[in-house]
Amino acid sequence: NAGVTQTPKFQVLKTGQSMTLQCAQDMNHNSMYWYRQDPGMGLRLIYYSASEGTTDKGEVPNGYNVSRLNKREFSLRLESAAPSQTSVYFCASKVGGANQPQHFGDGTRLSIL
Amino acid sequence: GQQLNQSPQSMFIQEGEDVSMNCTSSSIFNTWLWYKQDPGEGPVLLIALYKAGELTSNGRLTAQFGITRKDSFLNISASIPSDVGIYFCAGHTTGANSKLTFGKGITLSVRP
Repeated sequence: NAGVTQTPKFQVLKTGQSMTLQCAQDMNHNSMYWYRQDPGMGLRLIYYSASEGTTDKGEVPNGYNVSRLNKREFSLRLESAAPSQTSVYFCASKVGGANQPQHFGDGTRLSIL
Repeated sequence: GQQLNQSPQSMFIQEGEDVSMNCTSSSIFNTWLWYKQDPGEGPVLLIALYKAGELTSNGRLTAQFGITRKDSFLNISASIPSDVGIYFCAGHTTGANSKLTFGKGITLSVRP
């Protein structure tokens, strides 16, 4: 029972490099989300996709782009990585409906030198 | 925007003790969710609450949706070492475009 799968689990980049973080869910969920987690800051929403074919900005979208490739997959792209983007990135998904809980992947730990 | 307040940032308890965590806000929430995050993993849903006053248990965990809809608490009874982790509260506010708001989490340590 895979749930939400994120790849890679770890990555080190140099400043200015580009990178795409992959996320796939096998629960037939409509909505998918990308968060970053930094010490003392909790989880902050970067982008989300309420349904296939739509994407919207969250709280901290600058420096990121997303693609909802199909219902299963939602990728996060850093076009020109900066040290401030060093963080742990989590993908989450949920069924449709305003108040349903989100289910999380195990994260991608990204370091930018 | 909406904020969820969790304090203190860290808690230290002895194995076997009970512990209670609060989550408060100045805004009204339609749902309250409690997640636990183990080191190196993603948050895992523990309990979901959907109605004001609702009291729900999951094993040794009990959570309540406050009557005012502005707070929730999570109780862990008879703590064990594997209860160590970060506990997040989260909630959905009212409105069609409601998003999930997270507290900053409480790190729980359990001394054997």
